[in-house]
Amino acid sequence: GQQLNQSPQSMFIQEGEDVSMNCTSSSIFNTWLWYKQDPGEGPVLLIALYKAGELTSNGRLTAQFGITRKDSFLNISASIPSDVGIYFCDGGSQGNLIFGKGTKLSVKP
Amino acid sequence: DSGVTQTPKHLITATGQRVTLRCSPRSGDLSVYWYQQSLDQGLQFLIQYYNGEERAKGNILERFSAQQFPDLHSELNLSSLELGDSALYFCASSVSGPGEQYFGPGTRLTVT
Repeated sequence: GQQLNQSPQSMFIQEGEDVSMNCTSSSIFNTWLWYKQDPGEGPVLLIALYKAGELTSNGRLTAQFGITRKDSFLNISASIPSDVGIYFCDGGSQGNLIFGKGTKLSVKP
Repeated sequence: DSGVTQTPKHLITATGQRVTLRCSPRSGDLSVYWYQQSLDQGLQFLIQYYNGEERAKGNILERFSAQQFPDLHSELNLSSLELGDSALYFCASSVSGPGEQYFGPGTRLTVT
C-alpha cells in the first residue's frame, strides 16, 4: 500500500530559525496537503498543492510539490513559539487515506 | 473554527461498553472521514462516507461501525470497548472526494 514518510520525526529549534521538513512517498500523488495540529486540537489545513513543481506560500510558510510527484517540502521561516505543533502531510489520495506520521516541532524562545 | 462539529468533546466509559460519537460536517460538504489518534501517534484513517454511502475503509476494527445520515451528519459506533481504544477520534469533511479536509475538534475517549 501507499506509504508516506515524513522527515524529520521531531525538531527542536531556536526561535527565529528557519525550519525545513519533507514528505516522501513510493507512489505518485496528484495533490499534496500540509496540516498543522496544535496539542489536543484537530489538524488545520495550511497549504494545498495541486501541480508538480508548484511553490505556494502562506505567510511565513512555503510548500513545494516535488517534480517527481513523490515528495513535498514545507519550510517555515523565522519560527515563532506559536509554530509549535505537529505538521502532517497528506497525499490527498483516493481509497485508503494515509497521513504521514508527522514532524513534531518544538521552539525554544 | 473549521465548521465541523463533534460531540461529545470528552467521553469516559468502562471496558466492554458501547459509545456513539457524532459529527456534523461543514455546510455543503458531502464527504465525512473518521480518524483515530492514539497518544503521540499519527492519524489512522478509519472510514470515509460520501453522501450517505461508504466510500473507503481503512484500519477499522470489526467492533467499530459508522454511518452517514440523509442530513449528512455521521456517527461512529464503538462497541466492546477495550483499554486500547482510548484515543482522540477526529471527524473531517470535504466537498467531495479526498483533498482538502476540514477537521473537527475531536472527541477524547477514555476507556477505564
